[in-house]
Amino acid sequence: DVKVTQSSRYLVKRTGEKVFLECVQDMDHENMFWYRQDPGLGLRLIYFSYDVKMKEKGDIPEGYSVSREKKERFSLILESASTNQTSMYLCASNPWTGIFTEAFFGQGTRLTVV
Amino acid sequence: GNSVTQMEGPVTLSEEAFLTINCTYTATGYPSLFWYVQYPGEGLQLLLKATKADDKGSNKGFEATYRKETTSFHLEKGSVQVSDSAVYFCALSRAGGTSYGKLTFGQGTILTVHP
Repeated sequence: DVKVTQSSRYLVKRTGEKVFLECVQDMDHENMFWYRQDPGLGLRLIYFSYDVKMKEKGDIPEGYSVSREKKERFSLILESASTNQTSMYLCASNPWTGIFTEAFFGQGTRLTVV
Repeated sequence: GNSVTQMEGPVTLSEEAFLTINCTYTATGYPSLFWYVQYPGEGLQLLLKATKADDKGSNKGFEATYRKETTSFHLEKGSVQVSDSAVYFCALSRAGGTSYGKLTFGQGTILTVHP
């Protein structure tokens, strides 16, 4: 089974803290994604990466950055957490070959910024 | 740009009732269309997909047909069970190599099924 593992299920951080959300996939997928899930808004793409050290902004990148130093690991970084970044964060990966197959999702990290 | 619109929820049904969740989309070209399901406390799982017009995706009794003329991909199930209670997301992925499989999601519809 493909597995996408997010390091934390729940996190509580203080305003202004630097926050790292970690994601690891075990199927050698090229592409990895970070989405944010909010009620009534569905999932929105923050950043994605199509190769090691390669990244592109998604629809809502402001206040976030990412790092992909190894193929299996994709980190989302909140440089200075704010209360409006309280949300559910979902990591996903896919073995993109030009034809869509399936995206595999982690269980999500529910982040609360106080 | 691409967008997906789902019917407003939440939806509450009795067991064995018929389910329809409407989904319409806006996209250039010929996107692939998906329904994802999120059970309580879990991540998203692919429920079904369709990659071209008139395709019907089906899985676990759910089905949806890719209707290009109405830009729709409505989800249906003839007889829902309590275990179908979840959040359902309609999504699309633009065709082409530079898409990388990025997904555009609808708002999500919460389904609750009572015994």
